[in-house]
Amino acid sequence: QSMLTQPPSLSGAPGQWVTISCTGSSSNIGAGYDVHWYQQLPGAGPKLLIYDNIYRPSGVPARFSGSKSGASASLAITGLQADDEADYYCQSYDSSLSVSVFGGGTKLTVL
Amino acid sequence: EVQLVQSGAEVKEPGESLKISCKGSGYKFVNNWIAWVRQKPGKGLEWMGIIYPDDSDTRYSPSFQGLVTISADKSIGAAYLQWSGLQASDTAMYYCARLRTTGTTRPVGWFDSWGQGTLVTVSS
Repeated sequence: QSMLTQPPSLSGAPGQWVTISCTGSSSNIGAGYDVHWYQQLPGAGPKLLIYDNIYRPSGVPARFSGSKSGASASLAITGLQADDEADYYCQSYDSSLSVSVFGGGTKLTVL
Repeated sequence: EVQLVQSGAEVKEPGESLKISCKGSGYKFVNNWIAWVRQKPGKGLEWMGIIYPDDSDTRYSPSFQGLVTISADKSIGAAYLQWSGLQASDTAMYYCARLRTTGTTRPVGWFDSWGQGTLVTVSS
């Protein structure tokens, strides 16, 4: 069981807006640790999408945005496209275990 | 360009030992934490442990402590993940990843570069 909880699956139609939640606790996100997001396309390795809650690495489209509030964080994707179909993972640091932790992942399906 | 290049796929029998590698280039290898992440078939990402190559400071997830060993050879810019007795349940893709931090020497941050993955299959 992951220390960061994500919905297992989500779906949306092309052009729509979806949000993926990541819920933590007082030992990780709630303790002030930043949240980072990764995209894993089918058959590929993970790719950094958002770091430090809100920042996009060079090359990541502005359609992807992140936010954090309290012990939770969210990844928003606007203008959904077919090639956004992937698994998305949140990641943070947990002070009770002194390790990085990943969420369980969310499989996004573009209808 | 930052690159992490991992060793090739492995097929092993239960009980065998194995050491896989991750070689970094395009940046100062010794001053960046390198983590290992497991992904079992059809499952999510699991953080296994992390090493700081300059002094070999190593941290393990409680889930993997005692089951694997993480090491590094800073002279050649490589990190390693090894098992002394593989089990079928170790069958997975293993990724190395570089950790980026801001204003701290602790292993707190995000993974900005990933290796291509090493598929380990353990079967009799």
